[in-house]
Amino acid sequence: DTGVSQDPRHKITKRGQNVTFRCDPISEHNRLYWYRQTLGQGPEFLTYFQNEAQLEKSRLLSDRFSAERPKGSFSTLEIQRTEQGDSAMYLCASGSGRSTGELFFGEGSRLTVL
Amino acid sequence: DAKTTQPPSMDCAEGRAANLPCNHSTISGNEYVYWYRQIHSQGPQYIIHGLKNNETNEMASLIITEDRKSSTLILPHATLRDTAVYYCIAVRDQGGKLIFGQGTELSVKP
Repeated sequence: DTGVSQDPRHKITKRGQNVTFRCDPISEHNRLYWYRQTLGQGPEFLTYFQNEAQLEKSRLLSDRFSAERPKGSFSTLEIQRTEQGDSAMYLCASGSGRSTGELFFGEGSRLTVL
Repeated sequence: DAKTTQPPSMDCAEGRAANLPCNHSTISGNEYVYWYRQIHSQGPQYIIHGLKNNETNEMASLIITEDRKSSTLILPHATLRDTAVYYCIAVRDQGGKLIFGQGTELSVKP
């Protein structure tokens, strides 16, 4: 499969625990995005990487959230001290330099915080 | 990036054309119109994009008005598998990012 893959697909955790999601983008894509989506809403932008550099972060990304892309390939999104409001689908997308808005999304990682 | 406005929901009969409108009256000259769709429990999927000319690909056609203030996505022969939320997004060519609104929930009915 040559698409964007995300792991795990589902995560159930207790409030206060830390969770980490991984995204493997399409191999030649230098841009990588994280979005969050709650039920009935469109995806909300969280952060954006160009290669290994994190170029933009949304104000939605509180101090408990951190994202990395250490070698410009895969990326991780960590949520510390999870809260029930963090329950959502976390989507990763990647793109090449060819067309800014043409992104390829993964299937998402669904987080449930109890 | 310009704000877009779409109807919250639409119905379409299977086999008929689905015409999904989008208003982007404040779009600027360097912003493209992109369309994505999201089938339930899947990630969004790119459909098509354009600047000012009409565009067509294997999935759909995009008609942009001459003043670029609105556009229409056309699915020529809708199938049940086209049931999804469709998002219209205006994005700058350089340095832009996709900002999703609520989209249009299209229901294709037999």
